[in-house]
Amino acid sequence: QKEVEQNSGPLSVPEGAIASLNCTYSDRGSQSFFWYRQYSGKSPELIMFIYSNGDKEDGRFTAQLNKASQYVSLLIRDSQPSDSATYLCAVNSGGYQKVTFGTGTKLQVIP
Amino acid sequence: DAGITQSPRHKVTETGTPVTLRCHQTENHRYMYWYRQDPGHGLRLIHYSYGVKDTDKGEVSDGYSVSRSKTEDFLLTLESATSSQTSVYFCAISESQGETQYFGPGTRLLVL
Repeated sequence: QKEVEQNSGPLSVPEGAIASLNCTYSDRGSQSFFWYRQYSGKSPELIMFIYSNGDKEDGRFTAQLNKASQYVSLLIRDSQPSDSATYLCAVNSGGYQKVTFGTGTKLQVIP
Repeated sequence: DAGITQSPRHKVTETGTPVTLRCHQTENHRYMYWYRQDPGHGLRLIHYSYGVKDTDKGEVSDGYSVSRSKTEDFLLTLESATSSQTSVYFCAISESQGETQYFGPGTRLLVL
């Protein structure tokens, strides 16, 4: 079982819709959760991080964490073509600063 | 953007040759990391450093070594490059344990 799992996609949504990206993790002791966006040929850039159960909002982005069910999700409201990218989920399992990345979900926003 | 640079940005080399990639930061962050990114595998940790001269292995460290003689520089060496080491290599930094990692622009390495 992979430690961090994401559906590779592509996930296609029309412009203006809500995009929902999901991530599950295997280590119940995981403490920190991150979402990165990576455009083709570029490096990952941080969108959001979340530590506590519940929702965290930042502009059009909302991260949701449910530790009991071991999933974290990213909602993108009013999706724009510029949101088209691969979204990486990352989980910090504590210990020696081990962060595990999922393989990413490719999002396509259709104009 | 975090002040992280990587050099070279692109490199083509031949099997069996040594290769050194450099990561330089201007943020004075304690932690530095080297990842490789391959299709279907995502980002995988090669080595990381938690201070000058303090380094440890990641999940895919075979065939790689690292050195950190100054806070701002973290070097990754492929001792004898193989075709399986063709990849995109990213350096990342973080201020402390568990904090956000910030990535450099990456180095594309092709081993022929």
